Amino acid sequence: DGGITQSPKYLFRKEGQNVTLSCEQNLNHDAMYWYRQDPGQGLRLIYYSQIVNDFQKGDIAEGYSVSREKKESFPLTVTSAQKNPTAFYLCASSRTGQGAAETQYFGPGTRLLVL
Amino acid sequence: AQSVTQLGSHVSVSEGALVLLRCNYSSSVPPYLFWYVQYPNQGLQLLLKYTSAATLVKGINGFEAEFKKSETSFHLTKPSAHMSDAAEYFCAVSYYNQGGKLIFGQGTELSVKP
Repeated sequence: DGGITQSPKYLFRKEGQNVTLSCEQNLNHDAMYWYRQDPGQGLRLIYYSQIVNDFQKGDIAEGYSVSREKKESFPLTVTSAQKNPTAFYLCASSRTGQGAAETQYFGPGTRLLVL
Repeated sequence: AQSVTQLGSHVSVSEGALVLLRCNYSSSVPPYLFWYVQYPNQGLQLLLKYTSAATLVKGINGFEAEFKKSETSFHLTKPSAHMSDAAEYFCAVSYYNQGGKLIFGQGTELSVKP
């Protein structure tokens, strides 16, 4: 089955620690996205990538970093600079990332908690 | 600034009653419009989308939405609520000059009472 996988389902971060969230897709999509979801705030775009080896900051990129070395993978690192990382993180992909009418397909999410 | 407003963070209906979830956008340029559904601790699933064809769009699970340019609205409806419809619903917009980026509303949590 084609789809998007995110791991782990739950992740715990200690003070001053960097953690990496995994996102993999086998849909052969060019574009991938990372969103942060907080209660009552909808989804906010962290980073997005329209092609391998290229990515752009979204609305709330501070304290996060990404890489896009392979078409199917788009890992997100939450750095120690992100002071309030507790949230639900969602990864998505779309066919090209060029068309405004394209559907984004979402993974099941990773819940990050701070110890 | 372009934005999406969902009126009512929580809506409660009885099983079998009409479901109406409201979404308004703010821009002078008509956007593409999407409704997504999220069940607890899961990702989002597309219900339907408007891409400048018919203004009445039918989606999955019996939902539909109507694009009204004069009212800058894209409200989601379902004639008869089912217990399985209880979830959070997000309206989102995208614009032709911004590629595939989506702007989401705050979400509306739908509860269905037996």
